[in-house]
Amino acid sequence: DVVMTQTPVSLSVSLGGQVSISCRSSQSLVHNNGNTYLSWYLQKPGQSPQLLIYKVSNRFSGISDRFSGSGSGTDFTLKISRVEPDDLGVYYCGQGTQYPWTFGGGTKLELK
Amino acid sequence: QVQLQQSGAELVKPGSSVKMSCKASGYTFTSYYIYWIKQRPGQGLEWIGRIGPGSGDTNYNEKFKGKATFTVDKSSSTAYMQLSSLTPEDTAVYYCARRGLSYSSLGYWGQGVMVTVSS
Repeated sequence: DVVMTQTPVSLSVSLGGQVSISCRSSQSLVHNNGNTYLSWYLQKPGQSPQLLIYKVSNRFSGISDRFSGSGSGTDFTLKISRVEPDDLGVYYCGQGTQYPWTFGGGTKLELK
Repeated sequence: QVQLQQSGAELVKPGSSVKMSCKASGYTFTSYYIYWIKQRPGQGLEWIGRIGPGSGDTNYNEKFKGKATFTVDKSSSTAYMQLSSLTPEDTAVYYCARRGLSYSSLGYWGQGVMVTVSS
């Protein structure tokens, strides 16, 4: 299985600040069709996960442009700018290139 | 709008089975795979597998083969997951989900079913 490693495990941020979360995969996430199926999800307290970013850098419907994804191959980053209270929770990266799909262990974003 | 409505919480005994549902609305049920994800208390996400409601095609995570069984009822646009031979390690929230705009990301999620395995 593809192992997804996220760093850091937790992150403290001031409102209005900027943060980056790293996600590394144990194997390249480039699919045979040329696409890279790396996604980012946010799970707010007590809620189901919600999709933020798909295929490395594409924002899902209704997602603010304060969220941006980048990377390639095995190294990926999620950046959140101008952090708002509603951004707090646990962020997960996930790969859909190989079965079984796998997720990172999560990064908890908290207020400083 | 796309909605996935899951059944209620379950308290079950070790060794028993449980069957949960995921009722889809707001789209053509047979056109999109339904995915199942496990989340143990305070832990991360595990992909259990998926089922294609139109074809009945399934893909299971090897880890959950023999544990989870997916079925669908096209007449009611409902997907089901049965978990068998339950142990305390099966205590978790189970989500159903559907892809969003891309084939390999989960854009729509149910609210989750909390399954507690305890004697």
